[in-house]
Amino acid sequence: EPEVTQTPSHQVTQMGQEVILRCVPISNHLYFYWYRQILGQKVEFLVSFYNNEISEKSEIFDDQFSVERPDGSNFTLKIRSTKLEDSAMYFCASSEGGAGTDTQYFGPGTRLTVL
Amino acid sequence: AQTVTQSQPEMSVQEAETVTLSCTYDTSESNYYLFWYKQPPSRQMILVIRQEAYKQQNATENRFSVNFQKAAKSFSLKISDSQLGDTAMYFCAFMEYGNKLVFGAGTILRVKS
Repeated sequence: EPEVTQTPSHQVTQMGQEVILRCVPISNHLYFYWYRQILGQKVEFLVSFYNNEISEKSEIFDDQFSVERPDGSNFTLKIRSTKLEDSAMYFCASSEGGAGTDTQYFGPGTRLTVL
Repeated sequence: AQTVTQSQPEMSVQEAETVTLSCTYDTSESNYYLFWYKQPPSRQMILVIRQEAYKQQNATENRFSVNFQKAAKSFSLKISDSQLGDTAMYFCAFMEYGNKLVFGAGTILRVKS
């Protein structure tokens, strides 16, 4: 069964450093998403991406964040200058269609620890 | 803005018994989608079941079923014949146009042997 994959599973970085989290969505999916979950809290939407551009972003997704689909398979989330409060689990998700018609399937997550 | 409320922070159930997890939501939309996701200790987010708001029939998926009350904006999850592997955090989630999922705070379910 096709699945969303994410690398790395755990990333430790120093405050102020740049990190790139990588995702490979399910191959025939067209819509891509990033969510984050701070430990013990609810899952929060960050950004959605379709047709090589951002469809929607949350207030959390400020200028420190960017997303990219550098090739036909990868979908990346970059945090330019990490802060302590960026420590969280980051989930990538993908769906086949849009307009609320398709289920989002999640990757296993990347745990980001900012020291 | 849409909100999703899960009023039960933690629940316990004996193996083989039935448990119901509650979820309410708030929206002014008439067309939307509701989901239950399971997050085991590995923290992977696994889809359990989904419900389209325009469908009157409650969704079922093996031992998992929902009680969808559109007028009351309620979407509960029933797990029958609970198994130890059902131990996890369960999130209720809402989605309307734009595909953004809005999650509740989650309910920790512990299945006891």
